[in-house]
Amino acid sequence: NAGVMQNPRHLVRRRGQEARLRCSPMKGHSHVYWYRQLPEEGLKFMVYLQKENIIDESGMPKERFSAEFPKEGPSILRIQQVVRGDSAAYFCASSSDRLSYNEQFFGPGTRLTVL
Amino acid sequence: QKEVEQDPGPLSVPEGAIVSLNCTYSNSAFQYFMWYRQYSRKGPELLMYTYSSGNKEDGRFTAQVDKSSKYISLFIRDSQPSDSATYLCAMMEYGNKLVFGAGTILRVKS
Repeated sequence: NAGVMQNPRHLVRRRGQEARLRCSPMKGHSHVYWYRQLPEEGLKFMVYLQKENIIDESGMPKERFSAEFPKEGPSILRIQQVVRGDSAAYFCASSSDRLSYNEQFFGPGTRLTVL
Repeated sequence: QKEVEQDPGPLSVPEGAIVSLNCTYSNSAFQYFMWYRQYSRKGPELLMYTYSSGNKEDGRFTAQVDKSSKYISLFIRDSQPSDSATYLCAMMEYGNKLVFGAGTILRVKS
């Protein structure tokens, strides 16, 4: 059973470009979470999605950031018009059920560098 | 004030030592308490989780939660060089987002 997959593992963008980060959850998992880890800081929650629905986006910056988890295919975190402050490691996690505690399994992360 | 406070270290100990890692928190609604281990350039992996107050033991690892003091701990016995990593405490209200501490860097010297 493959774990959470993220691609690309490393992404370099120039200021003003768009960044698209992809996350494929573990098989059988329908809940996806995105976290951002800035240098020297812990992980910060960004958004929680189920298939075709955004459940909680309280950690998402108000502008330039969006996320989706379509019926088919991976979850996508999209950052428009990137700025240097967006440079960070972005981690995706998935779980099987939110009715009780269920472990969130993390992917290896995408390291975004904005030049 | 951050919701979860964690001393970033680094904490350096000799092989075989007992390691104590700690976090404090301010949100009394947290119900689940987790410890994750993160190796350099990798994703976090769950070590232990505890629901409410009490102790939980798994091999060389013991997690403690004191909800009255809003304080959680992770103890590592007989520490090994392979335990060298960043340890993140995390907390959850109910089935939703995790709130992480900043992480403590641990170095176990052989």
